[in-house]
Amino acid sequence: SQQGEEDPQALSIQEGENATMNCSYKTSINNLQWYRQNSGRGLVHLILIRSNEREKHSGRLRVTLDTSKKSSSLLITASRAADTASYFCATRLTGGGNKLTFGTGTQLKVEL
Amino acid sequence: EPEVTQTPSHQVTQMGQEVILRCVPISNHLYFYWYRQILGQKVEFLVSFYNNEISEKSEIFDDQFSVERPDGSNFTLKIRSTKLEDSAMYFCASSGIDRDDEKLFFGSGTQLSVL
Repeated sequence: SQQGEEDPQALSIQEGENATMNCSYKTSINNLQWYRQNSGRGLVHLILIRSNEREKHSGRLRVTLDTSKKSSSLLITASRAADTASYFCATRLTGGGNKLTFGTGTQLKVEL
Repeated sequence: EPEVTQTPSHQVTQMGQEVILRCVPISNHLYFYWYRQILGQKVEFLVSFYNNEISEKSEIFDDQFSVERPDGSNFTLKIRSTKLEDSAMYFCASSGIDRDDEKLFFGSGTQLSVL
């Protein structure tokens, strides 16, 4: 089993709709982060939520964290075609040094 | 905005050859990382580096791999004898040390193809 598993694996929506991606993890975390990756490019940090936080907002992004269920969700509101990318959750484990462990990713396609 | 730069963007090599992937992290960052991503798969941690030594490494990072910070700006990943399964996109990343600097900044990657 993997530390970060995301669902859905792929998501296709129309521009203007909201997109929700979910991430589940296995072990205790210090924080959870979401990254975006455009095709063939590097990852770009979107938002970080700490283990003692339940919800965080940044622009059109809303992240929730439920440590009892070991899960997080990323909501992108009013999606745009430019939001088309892969989205990864990444966890920093408690006592796990500074590395991030990435999830399997969700491929989001926003159609005009 | 400061960025992590990686060279080359593409590297083609023959199996058994040595390759060196180069990275220039963000100048005031103190933690450096290498990750790799096989096509269509998840991003996998290889190694982290702090204070001129490896702070953590994964099972992937075996004796064929090494990292070095030869000067104050470059951070390199060497693969001594490449295998077909080393073909992947390799990402360098860096981060600061403060509580508010826990996010990683990634380079655009080096696509390594081992033939």
